[in-house]
Amino acid sequence: DGGITQSPKYLFRKEGQNVTLSCEQNLNHDAMYWYRQDPGQGLRLIYYSQIVNDFQKGDIAEGYSVSREKKESFPLTVTSAQKNPTAFYLCASSIAGSGYTFGSGTRLTVV
Amino acid sequence: KQEVTQIPAALSVPEGENLVLNCSFTDSAIYNLQWFRQDPGKGLTSLLLIQSSQREQTSGRLNASLDKSSGRSTLYIAASQPGDSATYLCAVDNNNDMRFGAGTRLTVKP
Repeated sequence: DGGITQSPKYLFRKEGQNVTLSCEQNLNHDAMYWYRQDPGQGLRLIYYSQIVNDFQKGDIAEGYSVSREKKESFPLTVTSAQKNPTAFYLCASSIAGSGYTFGSGTRLTVV
Repeated sequence: KQEVTQIPAALSVPEGENLVLNCSFTDSAIYNLQWFRQDPGKGLTSLLLIQSSQREQTSGRLNASLDKSSGRSTLYIAASQPGDSATYLCAVDNNNDMRFGAGTRLTVKP
């Protein structure tokens, strides 16, 4: 079955450490997105990519980085510059007119 | 910038009731509108997608309507069940720029 796979499901980061969240899709979607969700708040866009080797900053890109070397993959790195990284991270993909499909999320906690 | 508002923020109903969740948006130049369901600690599951040229979509006990001119959408749930308990999110797409409401947390009591 086609879908989006996010890993790991839970991730713990120490202060000053970079961590990378994985997002893989086999839907042949062109566009991929990363969102952050905090309790009681809506989803906020971190980065998005509409084609391979190209990506754009969203509303809250500071402290994050991405790459899009393959159509299927859009990993997100949370850098040490992100001062409040504890949140639920969601990856999504889309193709024109089809709406968005989401992964199951990664919960990141700073320890 | 598109802003999406969902009212109410929380709703509790007894099992079997019909209910309506509301979504409003500020920019009517949308490509489509999508309703999602989110269970605690889980990702978003797509319920219904309404293209800008459509007025409504139906799936089982769910019916979603879209009125672009007034910037409103409603999600109607018929004969609610305890399994419908979840947070429901409305999202509006302005050409690959999807904006989300904060959601309505629904509790259906047995």
